[in-house]
Amino acid sequence: NAGVTQTPKFRVLKTGQSMTLLCAQDMNHEYMYWYRQDPGMGLRLIHYSVGEGTTAKGEVPDGYNVSRLKKQNFLLGLESAAPSQTSVYFCASSYESYNSPLHFGNGTRLTVT
Amino acid sequence: AQKVTQAQTEISVVEKEDVTLDCVYETRDTTYYLFWYKQPPSGELVFLIRRNSFDEQNEISGRYSWNFQKSTSSFNFTITASQVVDSAVYFCALSEASDYGQNFVFGPGTRLSVLP
Repeated sequence: NAGVTQTPKFRVLKTGQSMTLLCAQDMNHEYMYWYRQDPGMGLRLIHYSVGEGTTAKGEVPDGYNVSRLKKQNFLLGLESAAPSQTSVYFCASSYESYNSPLHFGNGTRLTVT
Repeated sequence: AQKVTQAQTEISVVEKEDVTLDCVYETRDTTYYLFWYKQPPSGELVFLIRRNSFDEQNEISGRYSWNFQKSTSSFNFTITASQVVDSAVYFCALSEASDYGQNFVFGPGTRLSVLP
């Protein structure tokens, strides 16, 4: 039982390049989330999904896009990377909405130069 | 707007000392959940506990205990007889029933260092 799997684990981009982060969960969870973690700021929600085919903006959505074409996958895209997007990105999933704990992937460390 | 404050940025203790990590939250909802997560140096985020707003009983799990007080909007976490393996960043989080989907506001975290 893998839980939540994120790929890649590390990535270095140059300003203006694009990339997609993949998140896959095998727990049949409805809810999926993308967070970014920056020093001293905790985790901030980028985008989330309440079910297959749905996405919504979180606290810091600018510069990111997401897609949830299949229930088990949640993709995070950066169309034109900027140094301000250097961060550690975490994907999470949960069985229900507000009352279920989040299950996190191991994170992706992204550096934009 | 919901908010979570963890006033202690970093704490250092010597092994076997007890340590309490503070968490203060703000919410207008009457129904909400509070969580604690641990992030060890390896980087993963580990769920520790969930508490709903209607259950103010303190909880103990081994060396870990949690004190939930609605009167002071606090959900503090105590580690008894700390060990080096407890060294990690600990996050407190709040989730409101009214905030469908867009929930889980995290505090900034407290970095705990347990020295041998």
